[in-house]
Amino acid sequence: DGGITQSPKYLFRKEGQNVTLSCEQNLNHDAMYWYRQDPGQGLRLIYYSQIVNDFQKGDIAEGYSVSREKKESFPLTVTSAQKNPTAFYLCASSWDGGMQFFGPGTRLTVL
Amino acid sequence: GEDVEQSLFLSVREGDSSVINCTYTDSSSTYLYWYKQEPGAGLQLLTYIFSNMDMKQDQRLTVLLNKKDKHLSLRIADTQTGDSAIYFCAEIPYNAGNMLTFGGGTRLMVKP
Repeated sequence: DGGITQSPKYLFRKEGQNVTLSCEQNLNHDAMYWYRQDPGQGLRLIYYSQIVNDFQKGDIAEGYSVSREKKESFPLTVTSAQKNPTAFYLCASSWDGGMQFFGPGTRLTVL
Repeated sequence: GEDVEQSLFLSVREGDSSVINCTYTDSSSTYLYWYKQEPGAGLQLLTYIFSNMDMKQDQRLTVLLNKKDKHLSLRIADTQTGDSAIYFCAEIPYNAGNMLTFGGGTRLMVKP
């Protein structure tokens, strides 16, 4: 089956820890995206990558980092510099921008 | 700057029609999209419309586009309890480099 997978579904972080959220796609899409969603709110763009080995900051990149070493994978690290990381994180991919397809999400909670 | 705007909440009775409205920012946007998000899940692409169309129908879904007013609507006929979700509209503004801009979402509640 083609699609986008995210893992884990739930993640708990202690204050001061870095954690990495996984996003993998087998749709052969060039572009991948990370969004943050807070309760009752819309999506905010964290980072995006339009091609392997290249990525750009979105609207709320501070406290986050990404890598794009493979076309299929776009992991997001939430660093200790992100002061309020509790949120629902969504990964998406597309061929060249435009229509995006989303993964099931990871819910991150800071303990 | 301008935002893609949606009303926050809509409540309908099962079997009625639902109309979810969206005002977008750029009259030059090429494609406009509707996504559905069920609780605790990712976004599911429902339908989209190209900017040279006024209407698109897909089973129970009808999308209407008014480019002059930059208004997009999604009509769900015979609304079911399984339609309860958050609905997001999204556009690709002309100078956005193919990046989607999302509205804040409309929460649809369907009462039995």
